Amino acid sequence: GENVEQHPSTLSVQEGDSAVIKCTYSDSASNYFPWYKQELGKGPQLIIDIRSNVGEKKDQRIAVTLNKTAKHFSLHITETQPEDSAVYFCAASDEYSSASKIIFGSGTRLSIRP
Amino acid sequence: ETGVTQTPRHLVMGMTNKKSLKCEQHLGHNAMYWYKQSAKKPLELMFVYNFKEQTENNSVPSRFSPECPNSSHLFLHLHTLQPEDSALYLCASSQTLAGDNEQFFGPGTRLTVL
Repeated sequence: GENVEQHPSTLSVQEGDSAVIKCTYSDSASNYFPWYKQELGKGPQLIIDIRSNVGEKKDQRIAVTLNKTAKHFSLHITETQPEDSAVYFCAASDEYSSASKIIFGSGTRLSIRP
Repeated sequence: ETGVTQTPRHLVMGMTNKKSLKCEQHLGHNAMYWYKQSAKKPLELMFVYNFKEQTENNSVPSRFSPECPNSSHLFLHLHTLQPEDSALYLCASSQTLAGDNEQFFGPGTRLTVL
């Protein structure tokens, strides 16, 4: 079946350093790639997304890149802060299909060391 | 807050009990979802409703019974559960079922089955 692989499963970085999380998808029909952040005791929340007609998107300290040919997309967080500690999920879906077909990665637990 | 509330936040039940989880969204969305989150499968879609009608049932055991009386409320009725059903149950909603719609998650109900 279709799959989204996410790496690493855990990541620890020094405060102020950068963090990178990578995902690979298998469904060629995927054209929408959201990233969700789940803080302790809360549900996942969308933080940024990218569509297949764009190679990169940036929002303050967060950026996402997409390589359609290789079916890779990544989340980059610069100048990490303690509030960035959370579990991050990548996902892939087809904007012309149902949201119920969205496939989530297995998650990355990011810890920011003071 | 995301505009999606869930009650109770924590639930402990025996295998012979019957209980219900409640979700309410205050966003005027038309689609609602139940997810199961566990260490083995971080975000596992269970059921999808669109305009109160069930559109997806991802091979969920019949001991889980969803109910959607209107577009704002979603219930998950539980009976004769197994210990492996212990998990965080997340409710989500989106404006439509389109594949690029942001999903808004509630904080979840932490379920423990003894």
